[in-house]
This record gives sequence, C-alpha cells and structure tokens, in this order.
Amino acid sequence: KNQVEQSPQSLIILEGKNCTLQCNYTVSPFSNLRWYKQDTGRGPVSLTIMTFSENTKSNGRYTATLDADTKQSSLHITASQLSDSASYICVVSAGSSASKIIFGSGTRLSIRP
Amino acid sequence: DGGITQSPKYLFRKEGQNVTLSCEQNLNHDAMYWYRQDPGQGLRLIYYSQIVNDFQKGDIAEGYSVSREKKESFPLTVTSAQKNPTAFYLCASSMIAGEQETQYFGPGTRLLVL
Repeated sequence: KNQVEQSPQSLIILEGKNCTLQCNYTVSPFSNLRWYKQDTGRGPVSLTIMTFSENTKSNGRYTATLDADTKQSSLHITASQLSDSASYICVVSAGSSASKIIFGSGTRLSIRP
Repeated sequence: DGGITQSPKYLFRKEGQNVTLSCEQNLNHDAMYWYRQDPGQGLRLIYYSQIVNDFQKGDIAEGYSVSREKKESFPLTVTSAQKNPTAFYLCASSMIAGEQETQYFGPGTRLLVL
C-alpha cells in the first residue's frame, strides 16, 4: 500500500533555531517528492520538488533532501522565523494519475518568540 | 491578479441538504482537483478533471458530485448522501494532469453541519 509517514506530528522551537522534519514513504513506482507549507486555514503552497536523481533542493531557508534508496526525505529550516509557523506536508507522486499523488498528514511547526 | 479562489470560506449544511462549493481559477490550467482534509490525515482526492466536460472519481467520491462545464470553474456538490461532510475542502489546479506538474491550491472552504 502506498503510504507517506511524517514525523514528528508536531514541533515547537524558539525563533532563530534550526529544525528538521522527516518524511518516510513506501510509494512505488516513485516519480517525485514535494514539500508544501500550509498556513492555518489556508491552502498548501509548494516549497520544493525533487525527482529520483536529485538528493537536495533549496528554497531560501528551506532545504529538502531525498534518499531514494532508503525512501526518506527531510526538510531543514534554517534560522526559523515566526512566519514559519505552519504545517509542512510531504507529498509523493507514484505515477501520472492524480489518484497516485499521496499526501502525508503533515508536521505542525510552531515557532515561539 | 492570477490565482485560484474558493467560496464561501465557511459553509453550514443542514441535515438532508445539498450544498455546492465554488472553485474558480484564472491560471488557464487544464486540470482541476478537489481534496478533503480532516485533522491528522493527509489530503484525500474526491474528484479531478483533466479537461472540460470530463472528470474522474478519486478515492472518496461517494456522496459528492462535480461538473466541469467551463475551464475556469469546477464546483463541488456535497449531497445528503455524504454522512460525514464536516471537513476542510481544498480545490487545486495544475497546467495539465501530470506528476511533474505543480498543483496550486485555493484558500479552502470549511464545511460544518448544523
């Protein structure tokens, strides 16, 4: 069964600190992996996309890594800001059909001043 | 101002009532999608449309219906057959329906049952 598991479920850190969110997947065949940021009560916004051959992708203070062998990805946030408070969702595509896009349940990140 | 819009932001449904959620995009995207988001769960696909006048069921289509009469619009009707409709509903669009295409999401509609 295609699944995307994220950890931790929630995380609280102080402003200015770094953090790393984890995503493990059992999706086959693998097409690509995306990280989305979802503010409370809003729609998700794409942060990064990685294909099989890519093992790191950056978007400002966000850096995503992908290990296709172990089927793991991480999202590292550097020098966190209050505006980083949101849910971060890992999404894996298993093919060209919309029904093959598998969403993780997200990590809820809270940044404290 | 390009983007994807959803209305209303909040919607209340009475027992046995059908309600329709609006989704409009001016991104000239061919593909549109409806997802349901429940607490602690990943987004689940309700319906998607790759082109005007065509749509396919997703994983949880029972109790829902859609239409795609115009490229810009993809309304979702939550029928009385949907026994647990309380959720956050997200509409999305992409240039085409392909795994390389980035989905752009609307702001969502929260549906509550009275």
